[in-house]
Amino acid sequence: GQNIDQPTEMTATEGAIVQINCTYQTSGFNGLFWYQQHAGEAPTFLSYNVLDGLEEKGRFSSFLSRSKGYSYLLLKELQMKDSASYLCAPRGYQKVTFGTGTKLQVIP
Amino acid sequence: EAGVTQFPSHSVIEKGQTVTLRCDPISGHDNLYWYRRVMGKEIKFLLHFVKESKQDESGMPNNRFLAERTGGTYSTLKVQPAELEDSGVYFCASSQDSGPGNTIYFGEGSWLTVV
Repeated sequence: GQNIDQPTEMTATEGAIVQINCTYQTSGFNGLFWYQQHAGEAPTFLSYNVLDGLEEKGRFSSFLSRSKGYSYLLLKELQMKDSASYLCAPRGYQKVTFGTGTKLQVIP
Repeated sequence: EAGVTQFPSHSVIEKGQTVTLRCDPISGHDNLYWYRRVMGKEIKFLLHFVKESKQDESGMPNNRFLAERTGGTYSTLKVQPAELEDSGVYFCASSQDSGPGNTIYFGEGSWLTVV
């Protein structure tokens, strides 16, 4: 089975940095996705980590530690439009499983 | 390049009726997935096609749900007869390959309301 744990809600200030943590347990592991989902919209791909380490992509970075079953998504220079749910989604042998997501609210 | 497209975007049906959702994956993507998000819950896996074959249908809730992918292109997900608890957003996703390194792209979802 698969178990994914991430905070339900977070609040951060515009311009600041926020880190969203995710721990997971999976049967089989083939990488981990992070998706952004605005209310009423489809999940949008942010990152995909297969190997340990940090991957940076503009204002967003994602980190993975396979041995610890741990990942985080780092958002820098927060903007109001970053208010959304962020979904941690480890990939098993073939399918991807989603956590409940972290609802991030960016305040002025 | 067109993304994953789904139809209808919204559907309201009465309990006991039938609804068929359609998904057109990104061209060339052999892997097609159906997911569902019920209000207040996480997105849950329903099933996975590789071309026209069902690779994994462990997430299908019951036999009222039937998914097909004839010809390995578009897929349909039929709910018959629909029940109130079937209301939610049905997402389709596709990827070129199912191995590591292959991004899964989602469609906008089909919002189903059963009344």
